[in-house]
Amino acid sequence: DAGVIQSPRHEVTEMGQEVTLRCKPISGHDYLFWYRQTMMRGLELLIYFNNNVPIDDSGMPEDRFSAKMPNASFSTLKIQPSEPRDSAVYFCATNYHYGYTFGSGTRLTVV
Amino acid sequence: QQQVKQSPQSLIVQKGGISIINCAYENTAFDYFPWYQQFPGKGPALLIAIRPDVSEKKEGRFTISFNKSAKQFSLHIMDSQPGDSATYFCAARGYGGATNKLIFGTGTLLAVQP
Repeated sequence: DAGVIQSPRHEVTEMGQEVTLRCKPISGHDYLFWYRQTMMRGLELLIYFNNNVPIDDSGMPEDRFSAKMPNASFSTLKIQPSEPRDSAVYFCATNYHYGYTFGSGTRLTVV
Repeated sequence: QQQVKQSPQSLIVQKGGISIINCAYENTAFDYFPWYQQFPGKGPALLIAIRPDVSEKKEGRFTISFNKSAKQFSLHIMDSQPGDSATYFCAARGYGGATNKLIFGTGTLLAVQP
């Protein structure tokens, strides 16, 4: 099993641009989570899905953030327009019963 | 609103010593308490976890101690090694599959000196 696969690993973009982060979950895992990690705020849950349906998006900071899971094999997190304060590492994690498996993350830098 | 408080923020331990990281929670509806280990440039990885019906769980050099009445749990790393140097996160999960989301502590940066 290749684990949770995220792309890109690194993204540098200019303020105002659209950014799309991608995640391929582990096959058979029915929950998918998007987290954001910063030094100041630690690991923050942004949104999570169960069987491709968004369950809780209360952690999404602003309307500039959106997430989709069109099928069990793929999810995206989009930021439009991006701002420098969005710079962080974004993790995707999947879960079946107990124990989350995290991807390696996408380090986003908005300049 | 932070529901899991973790301390210390950073910790320096000599090789062979015991590393102890503490967490406290407020929500009595939590039913699963994992610890995650994160190395630089990597995602957090599950290290060890405990359910509230037991007071201790041990896996190799890693032990979780759980005090349900005090709503506290801790991670003990025995015989700490330089390879254990990483950031450690405690977490807690609410009851029921519908609330299957982990709330993380703020993390502890552990440095084990050779």
